[in-house]
Amino acid sequence: SYELTQAPSVSVSPGQTASITCSGDKLRDKYACWYQQKAGQSPVLVIYQDRKRPSGIPERFSGSNSGNTATLTISGTQIMDEADYYCQGWDQGRVFGGGTKLTVL
Amino acid sequence: EVQLVESGGGLVQPGRSLRLSCAASGFTFSNYNMNWVRQAPGKGLEWVSYISSGSSNIYYADSVKGRFTISRDNAKNSLYLQMNSLRAADTAVYYCVRDGPSGPWPGLDYWGQGTLVTVSS
Repeated sequence: SYELTQAPSVSVSPGQTASITCSGDKLRDKYACWYQQKAGQSPVLVIYQDRKRPSGIPERFSGSNSGNTATLTISGTQIMDEADYYCQGWDQGRVFGGGTKLTVL
Repeated sequence: EVQLVESGGGLVQPGRSLRLSCAASGFTFSNYNMNWVRQAPGKGLEWVSYISSGSSNIYYADSVKGRFTISRDNAKNSLYLQMNSLRAADTAVYYCVRDGPSGPWPGLDYWGQGTLVTVSS
């Protein structure tokens, strides 16, 4: 079955840039999405179609997709950005990556 | 305001059935494709099923194919998931989720709060 690979954890200092990557050999064919899930809450869409931000998502969130790797970048990371982040691609249906826990300290 | 409210979760024995419901409000339900996504305790997200706005296209994850059935009633602004032959591995929070309006390959733009299904004897 198709898999998307994410690092289990990423740490960043407040104000710095966090990069979370997602690897999968079908990412180049279709758009990637990214979701943020804070503890005890439902996921929130932060990036769709590789690089678009839904309304209400801060400009510090950006996305890119090149080759087999999609990347979520958070510029000027804030304490409130600490969360699990999931990439999502497509196979026969949607496929989620395993998630990356972002720690801001 | 878009709202998706799931119900129907609970404790069920292996092999039994359960039906989840999702009440939608704040948008024209009949115009949107819908999904169920689940999350096992302490684990990641898993897409379960998709249904198009008019129910003409339906897809399932391999893990539930043949056991789960997705359906919708646009007149009642409701989405359903009939789950049969439940297994311990189906234990999860089940989210009702809307496809975003921007195609192709839209994001999942609104999520319900989820309903917990526990399969255990």
